[in-house]
Amino acid sequence: GAGVSQSPSNKVTEKGKDVELRCDPISGHTALYWYRQSLGQGLEFLIYFQGNSAPDKSGLPSDRFSAERTGGSVSTLTIQRTQQEDSAVYLCASSLWDSSYEQYFGPGTRLTVT
Amino acid sequence: GESVGLHLPTLSVQEGDNSIINCAYSNSASDYFIWYKQESGKGPQFIIDIRSNMDKRQGQRVTVLLNKTVKHLSLQIAATQPGDSAVYFCAEATNTGNQFYFGTGTSLTVIP
Repeated sequence: GAGVSQSPSNKVTEKGKDVELRCDPISGHTALYWYRQSLGQGLEFLIYFQGNSAPDKSGLPSDRFSAERTGGSVSTLTIQRTQQEDSAVYLCASSLWDSSYEQYFGPGTRLTVT
Repeated sequence: GESVGLHLPTLSVQEGDNSIINCAYSNSASDYFIWYKQESGKGPQFIIDIRSNMDKRQGQRVTVLLNKTVKHLSLQIAATQPGDSAVYFCAEATNTGNQFYFGTGTSLTVIP
């Protein structure tokens, strides 16, 4: 079946502009995660959605970052007034939220802020 | 915050040899550990997981060992193949499962 998809695959934007990154999780997966991966680094947790519960936003680095998940499926990560330090690969993952917590990752969106 | 680190940032092995990738963690309350493989330009791919009530778990050509006494996790890959070349991450989580803490990764290169 289809895996997690993300769009766009690459995004180049000017400093100060807003960007929206999209994630389509695997159908039926109730949990959705956003991570940020800087060059040569591990994954930094950003935000987590589980079903209809309030999202865990504790990983968002600043109030310029926000995310929504509509209808328990598609999610959008928005970065306002982008800064050069926001340049990274943004990864989305979804999970069935069963006993394994196994996450399935999308290919990521590479964001470059010039 | 949590600290998940790796002992070696790079590892090179001969094809056919066994590989061992190590990981140290700091949160004794973590009860779930996962290994991911990330190939260039792709998202991480789940390899194997282990719960804190276990010491060892085996998969296909992979074995994960957990030593809670010294807070150490390792991934063993048997008969390493060129397709195993990738960056390997360990991650830890508590039983709520909503936050996973990833290490910086070990780059494994398999020499044909």
